[in-house]
Amino acid sequence: NAGVTQTPKFRVLKTGQSMTLLCAQDMNHEYMYWYRQDPGMGLRLIHYSVGEGTTAKGEVPDGYNVSRLKKQNFLLGLESAAPSQTSVYFCASSPPQYSNQPQHFGDGTRLSIL
Amino acid sequence: GQNIDQPTEMTATEGAIVQINCTYQTSGFNGLFWYQQHAGEAPTFLSYNVLDGLEEKGRFSSFLSRSKGYSYLLLKELQMKDSASYLCAVRLSGGYQKVTFGTGTKLQVIP
Repeated sequence: NAGVTQTPKFRVLKTGQSMTLLCAQDMNHEYMYWYRQDPGMGLRLIHYSVGEGTTAKGEVPDGYNVSRLKKQNFLLGLESAAPSQTSVYFCASSPPQYSNQPQHFGDGTRLSIL
Repeated sequence: GQNIDQPTEMTATEGAIVQINCTYQTSGFNGLFWYQQHAGEAPTFLSYNVLDGLEEKGRFSSFLSRSKGYSYLLLKELQMKDSASYLCAVRLSGGYQKVTFGTGTKLQVIP
């Protein structure tokens, strides 16, 4: 019963490096999200997708790109990592919002940028 | 903008009852969620309110007053494992119906 799986769980990058965070869900959910969580800031939405092939910007999209080529996968890319992107990243999925169902979260990726 | 307020930290005694409050001022409202998040783990869903009143689920209850922009989460018979952060999240109305999260309340349960 996997739910939402994030890869990797931990990563350390140097400033300027690029990487991709992977998210996979096996619940056939239409909606997927990427959040970052920083101390005292709560969960902030980076990008989201309401279906395969669609993506949209959230509150803090700068410096990130996303792709949703398959319904079950949602990828988050850091083009040129900066120390300000040090954070815990959570992926989540849900049925369409109007269904009143909650979001299901992955275990998070802890990313440090040196 | 959207504003969700929760106390930053609370401490309560094992076996007691604790109430965690959440007030919100948002442009539109279409439901309020409570999530539990243990340190280093993912948030997990606890409860959902869209109409005024109390929703009870075992030891946990959640209350909503839409006219006051107010909700609370009530935890009864506290256990040590209830030590966690509790996140209040409001779903906005219209369009994509975005969910906005509060910064969370860190609850410490002491013996």
